[in-house]
Amino acid sequence: GQQVMQIPQYQHVQEGEDFTTYCNSSTTLSNIQWYKQRPGGHPVFLIQLVKSGEVKKQKRLTFQFGEAKKNSSLHITATQTTDVGTYFCAARSNDYKLSFGAGTTVTVRA
Amino acid sequence: GAGVSQSPSNKVTEKGKDVELRCDPISGHTALYWYRQRLGQGLEFLIYFQGNSAPDKSGLPSDRFSAERTGESVSTLTIQRTQQEDSAVYLCASSFSGTGRTGNTIYFGEGSWLTVV
Repeated sequence: GQQVMQIPQYQHVQEGEDFTTYCNSSTTLSNIQWYKQRPGGHPVFLIQLVKSGEVKKQKRLTFQFGEAKKNSSLHITATQTTDVGTYFCAARSNDYKLSFGAGTTVTVRA
Repeated sequence: GAGVSQSPSNKVTEKGKDVELRCDPISGHTALYWYRQRLGQGLEFLIYFQGNSAPDKSGLPSDRFSAERTGESVSTLTIQRTQQEDSAVYLCASSFSGTGRTGNTIYFGEGSWLTVV
């Protein structure tokens, strides 16, 4: 099945700093989705990227899909305590099965 | 309902007992998914329903696990003879349609936290 690898597994960030988390696949992806899971909560959809080289922004979050559609990144600027949680990328291995990466767990130092 | 509803929200059971977890998807969503998430880990795909048929059961970890869905509505995940390794949160999700190259957003329920003692 579809395998997506996420790095880093853990990200400790000083409040106000920027960071990037990456999602990589060995095969070409038709699309990629990003989810956020707060501690003790359930995953919540953030965004979907479909086109090669696509870049989408949500306030301080910038999502990018690679030109080869094999990787994606999430960049957060000016990290806030509300950004704490685990960020998952997810890709479809076929028409329906959404396979999730292991996630990047973000903690913020105030 | 407004969102995906799961019950029970928490379940503590003794090893060897059977448990049933229930999921009410968002009304009109034909696709339904079950995932398992162990503490501090990622989401493990269990099973997918399109309507009431399950074209992909490949993620079910053993024959102790089974799932059913009534029409395009409620689904139950049953774990027989529970083991301690079954302790996890079981997440149900639904989407408008499971198919399509562009994909469809899936919406997760709050999960059923299962602890086997």
